[in-house]
Amino acid sequence: DAGVTQSPTHLIKTRGQQVTLRCSPKSGHDTVSWYQQALGQGPQFIFQYYEEEERQRGNFPDRFSGHQFPNYSSELNVNALLLGDSALYLCASRFNDEQFFGPGTRLTVL
Amino acid sequence: RKEVEQDPGPFNVPEGATVAFNCTYSNSASQSFFWYRQDCRKEPKLLMSVYSSGNEDGRFTAQLNRASQYISLLIRDSKLSDSATYLCVVNIVGYSTLTFGKGTMLLVSP
Repeated sequence: DAGVTQSPTHLIKTRGQQVTLRCSPKSGHDTVSWYQQALGQGPQFIFQYYEEEERQRGNFPDRFSGHQFPNYSSELNVNALLLGDSALYLCASRFNDEQFFGPGTRLTVL
Repeated sequence: RKEVEQDPGPFNVPEGATVAFNCTYSNSASQSFFWYRQDCRKEPKLLMSVYSSGNEDGRFTAQLNRASQYISLLIRDSKLSDSATYLCVVNIVGYSTLTFGKGTMLLVSP
């Protein structure tokens, strides 16, 4: 059984560009959350998707948006990239109380 | 005030040492508590849940004091492989998302 997968693993963009990150949850997991982890910080919650709808959202601007597909996979979109968006973006799928994290996408904004 | 605060670290200890991590949380509605381990440039992985009665898993002991809003993790007989960042994590009642502390880095040396 594959765990949570994310693509791409690394990405380099320039300020003002847009980026899309992808996540496939563990088999049977229907809830996907996205987190941003800046260097030297703990992960911060961005938003959570369940039944193709955004259910909860953290303190992130509207430049951060997402989507969940019928197969439970999810995308994170970030528009108008800023230097401060450089971080590790983690996707997590949930089963009962445990969240399983993917390996993350490391985004660098130049 | 941050929602979850941890010792700043890093902790440098020799093999065989006992090391304690401390964590406080500010939201009294927090209902679930965890310690996650994160290796360098990898995703966080659940180390153990923390229960009110305290719980132990081999060399690892976790304690929770709800009155003081304090969580601890004790590692006995440290191994080189314990070197990692330890993240204190809480889950607030009514929400399925996780709130992370900044993490405390542990370096175990021979």
